[in-house]
Formats: sequence, C-alpha cells, structure tokens
Amino acid sequence: GEDVEQSLFLSVREGDSSVINCTYTDSSSTYLYWYKQEPGAGLQLLTYIFSNMDMKQDQRLTVLLNKKDKHLSLRIADTQTGDSAIYFCAESRRWDNFNKFYFGSGTKLNVKP
Amino acid sequence: KAGVTQTPRYLIKTRGQQVTLSCSPISGHRSVSWYQQTPGQGLQFLFEYFSETQRNKGNFPGRFSGRQFSNSRSEMNVSTLELGDSALYLCASSLGLAVPSGANVLTFGAGSRLTVL
Repeated sequence: GEDVEQSLFLSVREGDSSVINCTYTDSSSTYLYWYKQEPGAGLQLLTYIFSNMDMKQDQRLTVLLNKKDKHLSLRIADTQTGDSAIYFCAESRRWDNFNKFYFGSGTKLNVKP
Repeated sequence: KAGVTQTPRYLIKTRGQQVTLSCSPISGHRSVSWYQQTPGQGLQFLFEYFSETQRNKGNFPGRFSGRQFSNSRSEMNVSTLELGDSALYLCASSLGLAVPSGANVLTFGAGSRLTVL
C-alpha cells in the first residue's frame, strides 16, 4: 500500500459521524473502493466509486472523491458500535486488459458507547 | 452464490516446516489474488493468478509460491517457515478482466490464520 495512504486510527462516540480519509497517487485510477474488516474476518466490500464521480451515497455511507487532490473519504453517519472495524481504501489501475489493485494500510475505527 | 472459501481457517506450524493453503473462488471468477496481513506490515500483496498463470507478483521471497488449477481454485505454499510468516493469509477472487462498464471487484475469503512456533 505504499501509494495509498490512510491514518491508522480514528475514535468516535456512538451516534457521531465518522470520516475516514485516504490519499492516492495515481491519477489514472479507474475505481476507488472502501472495504471493511471485522475482527477475525476477511475484507468485505462496502462501496466503490468511479473516478469520474464526485460523490456516492449509500444509506449511512457517503463517499467523496476529490480527483484534483487525489483524496477519497468515507463518511459514516450515526456511527454505531457495530461499525468498529478496520477500513481499507483501495484503488484499481488499468494494466493491459486487467486491473491491478492497491490497498492502503487500513484505518482502525473505534466507536465508544 | 457461494463466496470465496479458504481452508484451513487456522493452523499452527513450527519453524522449518512447510504449509499449503487453499482458496476456492466464486464461480465464474478466473482471478485469484493472495495477500498477507500482519499487524506491523498491513496488507501485503503476494501474487495473482489468472487462467492458471501467475500474472502479477509482489515482493516476497521465493519461499512463497502458488498455483492455480483449471477450475480456478488456487493454492499457496510457504516452505521453510519462519516466525515472521505468522499472519492472516487472505485470498480474493475477481473476474480478472477489465470490465468496460463496471467495477472489477475483489471478493475476499475469511482468511487462513497461520501461527509459526
């Protein structure tokens, strides 16, 4: 994940909004993804956004993409204790006729009751 | 439809031994990628297989190898295990080809947790 950067930790109170940030370096990225990993589990796809979009909303999740600054964020509204997990940002870059994926190091979200 | 299945889920080995992990992708997915996850190093890409060929490789020593079978199932092998190989090994499958009108999504298995003593 050397080209995709995230802060390591975020702590919020239950009911607040959480904002997890990510920066990437390759402007040719096609899609950007957010994955969630709960303890002892694999990564679960939360949402993704095409690189020509600015925003995508899906229930409590809002993804914002600033392509000029190569900045991606995930906002979780009304954060619950069940949202405590590690959140990974990822980008896919077109390579020949397939995609290569690059992951950030993950942001551990701790939701306090 | 069934998800990505990894076996075994947990295993304990001693230094110097070798281990083989298995991954069954989602039906129709031809690409299988392997990742190593450790607390200190995060998620590290090992390799990717597509149609029985290694298409992409990360920066791991030759002790780490893999293969893919004609049914797209994949195995990875680690020989001469070291303490530092203790990790969660994740497999992810995808269609494997750039999709013109949509995202090529990686779907992950639950992982195989390897402990080396």
